[in-house]
Amino acid sequence: ETGVTQTPRHLVMGMTNKKSLKCEQHLGHNAMYWYKQSAKKPLELMFVYSLEERVENNSVPSRFSPECPNSSHLFLHLHTLQPEDSALYLCASSQEGSGSYNEQFFGPGTRLTVL
Amino acid sequence: GQNIDQPTEMTATEGAIVQINCTYQTSGFNGLFWYQQHAGEAPTFLSYNVLDGLEEKGRFSSFLSRSKGYSYLLLKELQMKDSASYLCAVMDSNYQLIWGAGTKLIIKP
Repeated sequence: ETGVTQTPRHLVMGMTNKKSLKCEQHLGHNAMYWYKQSAKKPLELMFVYSLEERVENNSVPSRFSPECPNSSHLFLHLHTLQPEDSALYLCASSQEGSGSYNEQFFGPGTRLTVL
Repeated sequence: GQNIDQPTEMTATEGAIVQINCTYQTSGFNGLFWYQQHAGEAPTFLSYNVLDGLEEKGRFSSFLSRSKGYSYLLLKELQMKDSASYLCAVMDSNYQLIWGAGTKLIIKP
């Protein structure tokens, strides 16, 4: 148990569906991240929120839309996805600032399958 | 471009020692992380190196040479539960983590 929870753990959706992934951290951290993990590929950083403001986009397609209503919650809204978007989506949090080396704590991920 | 290289897969025997290497080329360096990820689970933090040398933490040790752009993770007295993927990540000058693809470690009895 890392203090970061994600729901749902598994999601199957069609290309025309709209769904949302949810992440919650119970660690009092001030930064949250969305990553995409595909088999045998490095983790791909999608979005970073620091102090509830988005600071990184990394050219993610607009069919992925993040939302960070407060420092403990992070959402990833999905619409009109493609089969190649099937992957494990990981949420992470960290404490940014002096005296910290920004160790990231990960949630268990959402396994997404797009049909 | 930025790049992290580590072997795709390694096999070792229970009770033995294994060394997982990681080489990197990044724009700046603010530390190197090792994470462990069991299948279907979250990556969990193992170690952090920012200065050259060896950091020991129980059965696991991590080494860094900044001049060579090189690190290794050393696992001693291997146990079956050590079967997992081991991820190397470097924090660049923008404090962004650059990740390797991970090394899948298979432990055999």
